[in-house]
Amino acid sequence: GAGVSQSPRYKVAKRGQDVALRCDPISGHVSLFWYQQALGQGPEFLTYFQNEAQLDKSGLPSDRFFAERPEGSVSTLKIQRTQQEDSAVYLCASSLLRTGPLSGNTIYFGEGSWLTVV
Amino acid sequence: AQKVTQAQTEISVVEKEDVTLDCVYETRDTTYYLFWYKQPPSGELVFLIRRNSFDEQNEISGRYSWNFQKSTSSFNFTITASQVVDSAVYFCALSEVDTGGFKTIFGAGTRLFVKA
Repeated sequence: GAGVSQSPRYKVAKRGQDVALRCDPISGHVSLFWYQQALGQGPEFLTYFQNEAQLDKSGLPSDRFFAERPEGSVSTLKIQRTQQEDSAVYLCASSLLRTGPLSGNTIYFGEGSWLTVV
Repeated sequence: AQKVTQAQTEISVVEKEDVTLDCVYETRDTTYYLFWYKQPPSGELVFLIRRNSFDEQNEISGRYSWNFQKSTSSFNFTITASQVVDSAVYFCALSEVDTGGFKTIFGAGTRLFVKA
């Protein structure tokens, strides 16, 4: 499809397991964002890429979280040694321009990867 | 520090009623942007509107209207003649220019139920 695609849609991980969540942004989109959304809460910013450069990773909650976008298109969010508090929906978003959400630049969100850590 | 507060956790209305979703924000910046997003059960966030801090004109788009008041730091959203398809979680959000604009701060959301 033409939208932001995320996989897997649902993931159940055992505590301590590593997980990798994939995001395929809209083709040609420069900016890519990851957000974490806990149940009943709003999304919280994790990290931002402009092409392959990770310009802001201040929202990553711990060093167990790592994101990459090596070729400036597909991005992977990796969570090592998952904990129960990591259970959330992980939303990926992309936008065409590098100016983030402040210009006439619409951000398109994927449907999210629902992670449950048991 | 920036913060977005949506005091209404859930609202339930009957179809054709008007409903207003409240949003109050905090920011130290003079230049910022406010947004509303809709999140249907499928999970993706759908952009509804963006408003910059220098534009206090109210906006109407079909059944949707937005009231931005800097004096009270509020950016409320009204749906007129609500429909069942409006049922979703609605998020108000804030981005500050001084932080590069990439970190959008979201409120906790208001879940709207529209009953037939």
